[in-house]
Amino acid sequence: GENVEQHPSTLSVQEGDSAVIKCTYSDSASNYFPWYKQELGKRPQLIIDIRSNVGEKKDQRIAVTLNKTAKHFSLHITETQPEDSAVYFCAARDSWGKLQFGAGTQVVVTP
Amino acid sequence: DVKVTQSSRYLVKRTGEKVFLECVQDMDHENMFWYRQDPGLGLRLIYFSYDVKMKEKGDIPEGYSVSREKKERFSLILESASTNQTSMYLCATERDLMNTEAFFGQGTRLTVV
Repeated sequence: GENVEQHPSTLSVQEGDSAVIKCTYSDSASNYFPWYKQELGKRPQLIIDIRSNVGEKKDQRIAVTLNKTAKHFSLHITETQPEDSAVYFCAARDSWGKLQFGAGTQVVVTP
Repeated sequence: DVKVTQSSRYLVKRTGEKVFLECVQDMDHENMFWYRQDPGLGLRLIYFSYDVKMKEKGDIPEGYSVSREKKERFSLILESASTNQTSMYLCATERDLMNTEAFFGQGTRLTVV
């Protein structure tokens, strides 16, 4: 089955700097890769996703890149702000249609 | 706007009790999921259902069962609660199993003592 690994587990950045979170997956048939943000005490919410026929996608300060050959994808947050502090989860949809999630990255943005 | 509502925000149960966690969605989504969230382990799939009365095991089904008698409601059952089932439980729905967003409930923090 699909296995998703996510790094780092914690990430501390200065406000205004960039943050990068990396994930790898094992199932070459996976074709959909969403990223979820979970603020403290709240439910996970989709922030961006990418499909396997696309190499990069941007939405304002966040971007996701996908390397299908290497089976890895990354989340990039530029000009970080305190409200970016949260736990971020990557996921890959496996061949059965289920989402397999990474272990999560705690991002702390310090003023 | 999709609403996924879990019946309880916090629950404390005793070892050996039968526990019911309820999830209701109002968007007519076919697919519903129960995840367990533990620090350092991410979200792990317990069970999911793609239609009424249909259920499929996820990655960690042991000690759990589910029920889906109506499209909008998906219940997670702990037949005999144990302390290692203390966790955050999240319900989610998806319109299809392809390229659509998963919508989560607010979570139930279950403590088994």
